[in-house]
Amino acid sequence: GAGVSQTPSNKVTEKGKYVELRCDPISGHTALYWYRQSLGQGPEFLIYFQGTGAADDSGLPNDRFFAVRPEGSVSTLKIQRTERGDSAVYLCASSSGLAGGQNEQFFGPGTRLTVL
Amino acid sequence: TQLLEQSPQFLSIQEGENLTVYCNSSSVFSSLQWYRQEPGEGPVLLVTVVTGGEVKKLKRLTFQFGDARKDSSLHITAAQPGDTGLYLCAALRYTGNQFYFGTGTSLTVIP
Repeated sequence: GAGVSQTPSNKVTEKGKYVELRCDPISGHTALYWYRQSLGQGPEFLIYFQGTGAADDSGLPNDRFFAVRPEGSVSTLKIQRTERGDSAVYLCASSSGLAGGQNEQFFGPGTRLTVL
Repeated sequence: TQLLEQSPQFLSIQEGENLTVYCNSSSVFSSLQWYRQEPGEGPVLLVTVVTGGEVKKLKRLTFQFGDARKDSSLHITAAQPGDTGLYLCAALRYTGNQFYFGTGTSLTVIP
């Protein structure tokens, strides 16, 4: 596709429920990042994939959060037993995977998650 | 604890004015990026700086990476309403692949 897409754009759920957020990266991009952004704040790193493997998951806040990228393209962020504090915009970004700081991340529009 | 602090947090100026946004840290980074984000969208990369003391210009925007690679500034000349948005710095440490984002500066340019 032309850019990174994320579905759904909005998700409202009840406390305790399970949710899945999907990210379709730019075709051919090997690196994929998930971030969480609260209102008025900068994005907070969650997890980074290089290909199919999670190269760095140090940003996942606890074991309720899990992400997969089984075929090295589409990724799904899964949140179990959602809590009100999980409410935020979840951003996905992909890049070509070049080493070092020349990586340009292309961001999707995000999924706004609201936990009631 | 926020690794990258941006200042000011909010800025509202008149069209035509100049402004500077700062991104500061006590850590040393291998590179630093600046992004602009509009409501309902993801951040869009403006520039990447990789060398201490480096200055890059993008039309009316001037970006500088500190000599010690711990801080950066973004200067906008003759601001226009189209510059309105959330400006974010993001930095990459020498080890790891995690980009750390700053706290953000929300800029409003009034026509």
